Amino acid sequence: DAGITQSPRHKVTETGTPVTLRCHQTENHRYMYWYRQDPGHGLRLIHYSYGVKDTDKGEVSDGYSVSRSKTEDFLLTLESATSSQTSVYFCAISELDRGNTEAFFGQGTRLTVV
Amino acid sequence: QQPVQSPQAVILREGEDAVINCSSSKALYSVHWYRQKHGEAPVFLMILLKGGEQKGHEKISASFNEKKQQSSLYLTASQLSYSGTYFCGTGPTSGSARQLTFGSGTQLTVLP
Repeated sequence: DAGITQSPRHKVTETGTPVTLRCHQTENHRYMYWYRQDPGHGLRLIHYSYGVKDTDKGEVSDGYSVSRSKTEDFLLTLESATSSQTSVYFCAISELDRGNTEAFFGQGTRLTVV
Repeated sequence: QQPVQSPQAVILREGEDAVINCSSSKALYSVHWYRQKHGEAPVFLMILLKGGEQKGHEKISASFNEKKQQSSLYLTASQLSYSGTYFCGTGPTSGSARQLTFGSGTQLTVLP
C-alpha cells in the first residue's frame, strides 16, 4: 500500500471556525490532490499541488486554501467552516505527468460542520 | 469540469455483463478508472493513454476513444466482489495537464 496518511480521520467542528486537514505521504510523489466526496457529485477536485509551494485551484476551491511547504505534507484549510463543507475529504498522490500514472488515495477524513 | 458518467447506477446478477461509459467535453490525454467500496478509499483499476487503446485485467477491460473523448469500462461475467462505485478520471490535454478530474460515479450492485 502507498504510504499516504490523512489526519484527522473524523472531525466535528462549529460553523465559522477554521479547520485544517493534513495529508502526509512517504512516497516522495510530486503531485498531491484534495477532493471532496458528496452523494451524487462523486469526487470533486478542490486544490492540487505539483511541487513544494506550487499549488493551483480545482473546480470547487471557494472557501478552501492549501499549503505545501514540504514534499510530504499537503494541508487543506477551511478558512471559516460552513455546513455546506460537511463532506468526506480525500487526499491523493501521484507521479502524474500528463496523466500517465495512477493516483493513490488516503483513507479519507469525515468532516461535520454543525 | 467533471466528466460525465452513465449510467448512474446499475444492478445485475452474478455472471451478467455491464458497461460503464465516461465522456468529457475537453480533449483528453488519459482516462483512469477506479473502484470504491463503501466506506473505503478509491482503488486504481487501469489507465488508458492512447486513442483507441484497450486494456484489460481478467474480466474487466476498458476502451478509450481519444477522438470522441470517451471511454467505456466493460465488466464481463460479474462477480459479487465487483460491487462498488466506479469512477472515471480524466487528464485533459489542454490547459493544466496536471489536474485529475473525476466523474460523479456509477454505483454497481451485483446480486447473487
